[in-house]
Amino acid sequence: EAGVTQSPTHLIKTRGQQATLRCSPISGHTSVYWYQQALGLGLQFLLWYDEGEERNRGNFPPRFSGRQFPNYSSELNVNALELEDSALYLCASSSPFPGLAGGWDEQFFGPGTRLTVL
Amino acid sequence: KNEVEQSPQNLTAQEGEFITINCSYSVGISALHWLQQHPGGGIVSLFMLSSGKKKHGRLIATINIQEKHSSLHITASHPRDSAVYICAVRGRDDKIIFGKGTRLHILP
Repeated sequence: EAGVTQSPTHLIKTRGQQATLRCSPISGHTSVYWYQQALGLGLQFLLWYDEGEERNRGNFPPRFSGRQFPNYSSELNVNALELEDSALYLCASSSPFPGLAGGWDEQFFGPGTRLTVL
Repeated sequence: KNEVEQSPQNLTAQEGEFITINCSYSVGISALHWLQQHPGGGIVSLFMLSSGKKKHGRLIATINIQEKHSSLHITASHPRDSAVYICAVRGRDDKIIFGKGTRLHILP
């Protein structure tokens, strides 16, 4: 069974440009989570999509947005890129059967997209 | 003060030693995760806990909701256990908060 896939692996942009990152969840998973891991800052929660809707977002400005498609794949868009947006962006998916955490079940992570903003 | 604190930040031990990594949090939570991140960046979910204790192979995770504390234990540690171990909680506002991680290095 294929795991979570992300594309591209690496992305280089300049300040002010827009970046689009893509994630395909494990077959059968309906929840997709996006995380940012910037150097020295650790992992930070960005967005959670489930059944095509945004369920929650972390403390990031509105220029970080995304969507989930009918096939449950997801896109993360970052507008007006800033130097500090350089980071590893990780996507994770989880099963549609909610556990004790009300849906935040075991997460399967993709390999990430490394975004560099010059 | 961070809402999720891990200790120690770095840990070096000899192969075979018993390892304990701690996670304390200051918010009410619905669940806690332990994650493992290898040097290449890949992340694996180890445990999800909302109460009690879970065991998988040489790994044991416990949580004390009243004390807002969780521990991850590794028995008979091995060099392949070398990684960054990350604690993450889901707060009652559904926000997900991560600790800064514990970098573990097991010497052969």
